[in-house]
Order: sequence, then structure tokens, then C-alpha cells
Amino acid sequence: AQSVTQLGSHVSVSEGALVLLRCNYSSSVPPYLFWYVQYPNQGLQLLLKYTSAATLVKGINGFEAEFKKSETSFHLTKPSAHMSDAAEYFCAAGAGSYQLTFGKGTKLSVIP
Amino acid sequence: GAGVSQTPSNKVTEKGKYVELRCDPISGHTALYWYRQSLGQGPEFLIYFQGTGAADDSGLPNDRFFAVRPEGSVSTLKIQRTERGDSAVYLCASSLGNRDTQYFGPGTRLTVL
Repeated sequence: AQSVTQLGSHVSVSEGALVLLRCNYSSSVPPYLFWYVQYPNQGLQLLLKYTSAATLVKGINGFEAEFKKSETSFHLTKPSAHMSDAAEYFCAAGAGSYQLTFGKGTKLSVIP
Repeated sequence: GAGVSQTPSNKVTEKGKYVELRCDPISGHTALYWYRQSLGQGPEFLIYFQGTGAADDSGLPNDRFFAVRPEGSVSTLKIQRTERGDSAVYLCASSLGNRDTQYFGPGTRLTVL
């Protein structure tokens, strides 16, 4: 069965600092990979997705993620954090089918 | 255009009662999904519809949970004899086809007292 692990349930960064949120998946077949963001009392919003076209995926709001098959990782980064980035971030995997498996989420705090 | 909408946004009920949660997908999306998000967890898959039929209901926890999508658009998740452990946010998502990006609604927060 597919599983997704997000290291760190809570990450704090200073405004302007690098954001790095970690995600590892377990799958014998490289899955489709996604990052979603959830703001308080709102639904999940897609940040970016990997579908094997390119290993470095650029998303909205300046975020990007790199697929590394050898490390089974899909970490999310942003060069410079903004206060508006404070939210909960979820990594998800879909093994080419409809059912997404989500990680437990990482809550990002941005310190002014 | 309009996104996925879910009603009600909040539902408080008593143990043992019956509840219905509604999802309006994005117009034209043939695939619809229900997920459940418990406190401190990521969403967990419940059921997937392709058109009117439930193509996969393997995530439904037990037979108290049931979902329908009679006309291939709006879906209703039904929970009978609610238990306190059913308290969670129930998320609905839709996609154009079954392997396309899933777009999520804001969720219904269910609290069972």
C-alpha cells in the first residue's frame, strides 16, 4: 500500500528565509505526486503536481518541488517565505489512479 | 468559475442521529471523491464516483456510511447512527476525469456530541 511521510508536523521560518517542507513516499512505482495547501477554514488548494514530465516542478506562489526517485522524495521549497505562506501543507501520492494518499500535513509558521 | 461547494459548512448532531452531507462538484466534472480528515491527520479516501456509480467504496469505514450521486452531479454522503468517532471534516473533491487533478471543496465539519 502507498504511504506518504511528511517530516515535521510544524515548521517555523523567518520572513524572507528559505522554506523547506519534506515529503517521502513509498511506492515501487513512481506515483503522481502533489502538494496541496490548506488555509484555515478553507479547502485544499493545489500548489503543484508531478506527473513524470519533469523532475523539477514549479507551482503557484513561488513554490517548487523536486522529484528524486533515488531518495523517494518530493520536498517542497520556496526561496523566500512570506507571511501569507503561513498555512498547512499536505503532500499526496496517487499511483496513477484516482485514490490519493495524503501525508499528515506540516503546519508552516512564518515569523515576522 | 464556481468551485466545489459543500453544505452545510458545520453540522452538530447527537450520537445515534442520521446526517446527510452534500457536495456540488465543478460543472462538467465526471469524477467525484469523498475524503475524511480527522484532527491532526491528512485526508483519508472514502469513496469515488465515476458518473452515477460508486466505482470504489473501499474507504468507507463501515456500513453506517453510504453515498449516492443519482444524476452524476451532486453527491450526498449519508451517515447513520452517528458515533462520536465520526467527528471530522468531510471533504469532497471533483475532477474532470479519474486521473485528473482533484479540486477540493471547503469541507463540512461534523461534530457528534
